[in-house]
Amino acid sequence: NAGVTQTPKFQVLKTGQSMTLQCAQDMNHNSMYWYRQDPGMGLRLIYYSASEGTTDKGEVPNGYNVSRLNKREFSLRLESAAPSQTSVYFCASREYDSFRDTEAFFGQGTRLTVV
Amino acid sequence: RKEVEQDPGPFNVPEGATVAFNCTYSNSASQSFFWYRQDCRKEPKLLMSVYSSGNEDGRFTAQLNRASQYISLLIRDSKLSDSATYLCVVSDFFSGYSTLTFGKGTMLLVSP
Repeated sequence: NAGVTQTPKFQVLKTGQSMTLQCAQDMNHNSMYWYRQDPGMGLRLIYYSASEGTTDKGEVPNGYNVSRLNKREFSLRLESAAPSQTSVYFCASREYDSFRDTEAFFGQGTRLTVV
Repeated sequence: RKEVEQDPGPFNVPEGATVAFNCTYSNSASQSFFWYRQDCRKEPKLLMSVYSSGNEDGRFTAQLNRASQYISLLIRDSKLSDSATYLCVVSDFFSGYSTLTFGKGTMLLVSP
């Protein structure tokens, strides 16, 4: 009963380092999302993937890249980390098509600190 | 830019109280609406979907007013375990895709 699995759960990076946040879902959902959550800012969409093979920018895409490796996996990459990217990152998935608009299921989050 | 607005609170209520939260959204074409609950340092989880006719799940009642573009959540007989942040979420469709826009959340603190 895994749902959405994110790795790692915690990470500390130095400014300029790179890293990839991994996300996998086992619910056969077509849509996947990356959000960041900062105090007082709520959840903001970084990138999303409506289906396998497609990705689109969200509200705050600068400094990030994504890959929808297959239907299950959607990774988020920070090429050159900056202190402003210190945040909690959540991956989510849901099923959306013309007939269904279901709830989103979230991973447990990745707490990233850039020093 | 699509926006979802909520009163951040905190709402401090005693056990057994009834408390109501409102949320407004800016995109009149929004089609689906949800309330999520988020406990401290945890991931958001669905509390309930919000339907046009209104819906109830135990102590929780959600209402949607499309004309005024607001959504409400009513919690009756509050429990200590209801202490959390409640997120209003709106689903918007464009070009065949759908994204979820989150409000910043309303914090509820239920005291003994």
